[in-house]
Amino acid sequence: DIQMTQSPSTLSASVGDRVTITCRASQSISRWLAWYQQKPGQAPKLLIYKASSLEGGVPSRFSGSGSGTEFTLTISSLQADDFATYYCQQYNRYWTFGQGTKVEI
Amino acid sequence: EVQLVESGGGLIQPGGSLRLSCAASGLTVSSNYMSWVRQAPGKGLECVSFIYSGDSTYYADSVQGRFTISRDISKNTLYLHMNSLRVEDTAVYYCARGVRDYDILTGYYYHFDYWGRGTLVTVSS
Repeated sequence: DIQMTQSPSTLSASVGDRVTITCRASQSISRWLAWYQQKPGQAPKLLIYKASSLEGGVPSRFSGSGSGTEFTLTISSLQADDFATYYCQQYNRYWTFGQGTKVEI
Repeated sequence: EVQLVESGGGLIQPGGSLRLSCAASGLTVSSNYMSWVRQAPGKGLECVSFIYSGDSTYYADSVQGRFTISRDISKNTLYLHMNSLRVEDTAVYYCARGVRDYDILTGYYYHFDYWGRGTLVTVSS
């Protein structure tokens, strides 16, 4: 099974901050990686797919990069609505999610 | 507008059975790739099942042999039949649509775009 490890587990930030979350795969997954945002009591929301493709309707302050085993999600200027938990997901071979990164004030 | 609405969750004793439903509008369940993803309380996400075109299926090792994914064309509904339930199956169960990505050299890959709001399954005596 492919394991996904996110860091950090929790991130304290302020509105306007540039935020970067890292996701590491236990083996190469090429560019088959997605990022999701989840708020309490809500379903996950797709932000990024194929490592760097922005899902329609997602603000451009979100961006993704990486390939192989190292990936990052960057929020260029954190907004109040962005405080949430973020998950990476590999879909190179079946599906595995990271353990999540909680972005809090 | 695409909507996925899960139902059928509840409190069930260990060893029991339950059927979850995911009613779809704005998309046709029979012609889409569909999945069930669960989230245990305070925990991360786990894809437990996926149904491809042609009705081939995937199951996570944790549910293989106990869960069955299916779809009803007439009702435009996805199901998850769950047998021999265990305490560790306690979770919110989401249905989600799979979207196919393609690489000319290596084939097809599926991520999830639309998700339902989930239904809570609690397995406890």
